[in-house]
Amino acid sequence: AQSVAQPEDQVNVAEGNPLTVKCTYSVSGNPYLFWYVQYPNRGLQFLLKYITGDNLVKGSYGFEAEFNKSQTSFHLKKPSALVSDSALYFCAVRVLGGATNKLIFGTGTLLAVQP
Amino acid sequence: DTGVSQDPRHKITKRGQNVTFRCDPISEHNRLYWYRQTLGQGPEFLTYFQNEAQLEKSRLLSDRFSAERPKGSFSTLEIQRTEQGDSAMYLCASSPSTSGSFTDTQYFGPGTRLTVL
Repeated sequence: AQSVAQPEDQVNVAEGNPLTVKCTYSVSGNPYLFWYVQYPNRGLQFLLKYITGDNLVKGSYGFEAEFNKSQTSFHLKKPSALVSDSALYFCAVRVLGGATNKLIFGTGTLLAVQP
Repeated sequence: DTGVSQDPRHKITKRGQNVTFRCDPISEHNRLYWYRQTLGQGPEFLTYFQNEAQLEKSRLLSDRFSAERPKGSFSTLEIQRTEQGDSAMYLCASSPSTSGSFTDTQYFGPGTRLTVL
C-alpha cells in the first residue's frame, strides 16, 4: 500500500532560522510527491511537487524540498523562517493505477515560528 | 483567475437531516475530487470525477453519500441521514487533465465545515 509519514506532529523554529519538515514515503513504482500548507479554517494551498528530474524542487513562498530516493524521503525546507510560515503542512503522494487519481496525505506537521 | 469555490462554508445540522454541498472548480479543469478532513488528520479521498464521469469512490463513501457532476462543471456532495461521525471539513479540489497524465496539481477550495449535532 502506498503511504506517507510525517514523523513530527510539531516543529518549532525561531524566525530567521532554517526550517525542515520531514516526510517519508512508501510507494510501488515512481513516486509523485506533493507538499501543501493549510492555514486555520482554510483549504490547502499547493507549495511544490516532485515528478521527475532534479532532486531539489523549488516552490512557492521560498520553500523547497529535497527528494531522496535511497532514503525514501521528501523533506520540506526553507533557509530562513518567517512568523507568517506558521501553519499546518501536509505531505502527499499520488496513487496511480487504473482510473485512480487520488492523493494520500500524511497526518500533517504543525510549524510554529517564534518571533 | 478564480480558484475553487465551495458553498456553504459552514453547515450545522441535526442528526438525521440531509445536507448538500456545492463545489465550483477552476474553469476548464475537467478533474474534480472530494476529500474529507477530520480534526488532527490529513484529508482522506472520497471520490473523483473526470468530466461528468465518477471514476472512483472510496470505501469511506457509504451509501448515505452521493456525489454528482451532471454537466462536467460544478459538483454536489449529498449526505443523507447525517450522523455525528460525519462532522468534518469537506474539501473539493480540481485539476486540469494533460494528455492523460497524472502529474497535474490538485487545487483545493476553502472547504465546507459540517457540524452534526
